[in-house]
Formats: sequence, structure tokens, C-alpha cells
Amino acid sequence: NAGVTQTPKFRILKIGQSMTLQCTQDMNHNYMYWYRQDPGMGLKLIYYSVGAGITDKGEVPNGYNVSRSTTEDFPLRLELAAPSQTSVYFCASSPPVGQGDGYTFGSGTRLTVV
Amino acid sequence: DQQVKQNSPSLSVQEGRISILNCDYTNSMFDYFLWYKKYPAEGPTFLISISSIKDKNEDGRFTVFLNKSAKHLSLHIVPSQPGDSAVYFCAASGRNSGGSNYKLTFGKGTLLTVNP
Repeated sequence: NAGVTQTPKFRILKIGQSMTLQCTQDMNHNYMYWYRQDPGMGLKLIYYSVGAGITDKGEVPNGYNVSRSTTEDFPLRLELAAPSQTSVYFCASSPPVGQGDGYTFGSGTRLTVV
Repeated sequence: DQQVKQNSPSLSVQEGRISILNCDYTNSMFDYFLWYKKYPAEGPTFLISISSIKDKNEDGRFTVFLNKSAKHLSLHIVPSQPGDSAVYFCAASGRNSGGSNYKLTFGKGTLLTVNP
């Protein structure tokens, strides 16, 4: 059971480039999330999804886009990378209400924009 | 506006002693609270949770206490072990979440170091 898998683990982007951070879970969880963690800061919610075809903005959505075409996959797209997007990105999933406790996180993607 | 606050960036304790990590929240709509543990280069892992209908939840060496009137919770680790050295995040979710972990709001974390 792999849990939540994120790729790539590390990436360096130039300003203005674009990329997609991949996230896949094999636990059949309805809910999926993207968080970013800046140095010395907590995790801030970028986007989340309550099921395939349904996504919504979190606390810091600007500069990002997501899609949820399947239950398993929840990719995060950066269109025009900016230095402010240098961060560690975590994808997570969780089961429906009453069916378990706690998020399952991926191991993170460390992104540097130069 | 930080709704979940962990005011101690770091804490150092001796092996075998008690570790107490604190967390305060400002949003009265929060009704479910969780603690996560994070090692370097890994994602956070769920540790323990508590619903607002309780004031204490225990799981082995880990106990979480909730004081709703003070909007304060704490995580006690007894006895502390070197393997407990990690960053601990406090998190909360909103009212009517059904005891779930939906759309969590996280604190900044506290780095716990347990010295042998």
C-alpha cells in the first residue's frame, strides 16, 4: 500500500516557467489537498477536492491551478513560476467523515524558483 | 491572522522526562483538533486527535488535553524518547466537520529535541 505518492521530489524552475506537481493516492480517499510549507511557517492550504470533478480554493490559491479527473490523481499546476512560489509542497488525502482519522501526506516536493 | 498558534518554535527535553507542547486557537468554530509529527524530508504523520466534546485523549505515551474555555490544547509525551525528536504541528478543523479532518488549519510547528 503506497499511500500518497508525490513526484518529483525536487525541482528547480526559472521565473516564468511552468510545471505540474503530481499526486496520486491508492486508498480510495474522497478528499485530497495541496498545502505549501514555507520556512518557519505552518502548512497553508492551496486547493482541495472533495471528489472527482470537484475542486475549490484554499487559503493561498493565487498562481496555482488544479484538476481532479479521477479519485486517485490530484495534480497541481504552476503556470508562471515566481520566486514567491519557492516552497515545499505537500499533497494529502483523507477518507470521508466518520471513516478514519488524520490526513495521509505525501513526502513532499521541494520547489525552488530562480 | 493566525488562527492556530504554536508560540514555542522549539523545545528541548531530556530522555525519560515529559515533553509538553502547547497550542492556542482563536476561532471558536473549531471543534476538532489534531497533532501531527514531521521528520525532515518526510511528510507529516498523524499522531493523535481530540474532539471538542472531550477534554482528554490518550494513546500510549501521548496524551492531548483540551481546555475549550481557554482555547488551548497541549500534547504530553511521557516518557520522551530520542526518536520523538521532530517538528510537531497542531491542527484544527471547523464546526460541523463531523469529527473529521476536513480542511485543516495548521500552526507553525514546534521543533522538539529529546536529548539522550
